Amino acid sequence: GQSLEQPSEVTAVEGAIVQINCTYQTSGFYGLSWYQQHDGGAPTFLSYNALDGLEETGRFSSFLSRSDSYGYLLLQELQMKDSASYFCAVGQAGTALIFGKGTTLSVSS
Amino acid sequence: DAGITQSPRYKITETGRQVTLMCHQTWSHSYMFWYRQDLGHGLRLIYYSAAADITDKGEVPDGYVVSRSKTENFPLTLESATRSQTSVYFCASRMGAEKRNTIYFGEGSWLTVV
Repeated sequence: GQSLEQPSEVTAVEGAIVQINCTYQTSGFYGLSWYQQHDGGAPTFLSYNALDGLEETGRFSSFLSRSDSYGYLLLQELQMKDSASYFCAVGQAGTALIFGKGTTLSVSS
Repeated sequence: DAGITQSPRYKITETGRQVTLMCHQTWSHSYMFWYRQDLGHGLRLIYYSAAADITDKGEVPDGYVVSRSKTENFPLTLESATRSQTSVYFCASRMGAEKRNTIYFGEGSWLTVV
């Protein structure tokens, strides 16, 4: 089977840096991706790592270590609008994405 | 650019009724998915489809039926709704294998079974 573990909640203040970790167990690994979801909204794609290393997209970065079955999402210069749920997801052999249970990030002023 | 649309957005139904949630995408994406989202469980895959007339079970398929006669539509049917199927349902689509991890979600259908 497959499983993903990520913290359920993270809190931080504006301007800070926060890291959301994700460990996974899956067969036929096809990359780790991250999605953001605001309350009442749909999940939206943030980033994707197929290979080991760091991918940077503006204030957000994502890291993958395939040997450790581990990745993280790094959010810098936090803003209030970053308050949302963040999901890691793994692609499988076949086609579907399997998601973690999500991490709720609360950013305070 | 309509993208991916779901209907109805909100639905209340009674236990035992049949309910169909519609999903329509205008991108001609090959792959389509249905997820349900419940507090504490994140997004769980119900069914997915790689192309018209090709469907496959996900993590939680019991109690659901799907069909895909046309590439752009992927309806999800609850044949006999139960309270445990109260959830938010998200349809999603993906272009193809070359962007395997990038999927696009509809706005969701909030279903309450009473």
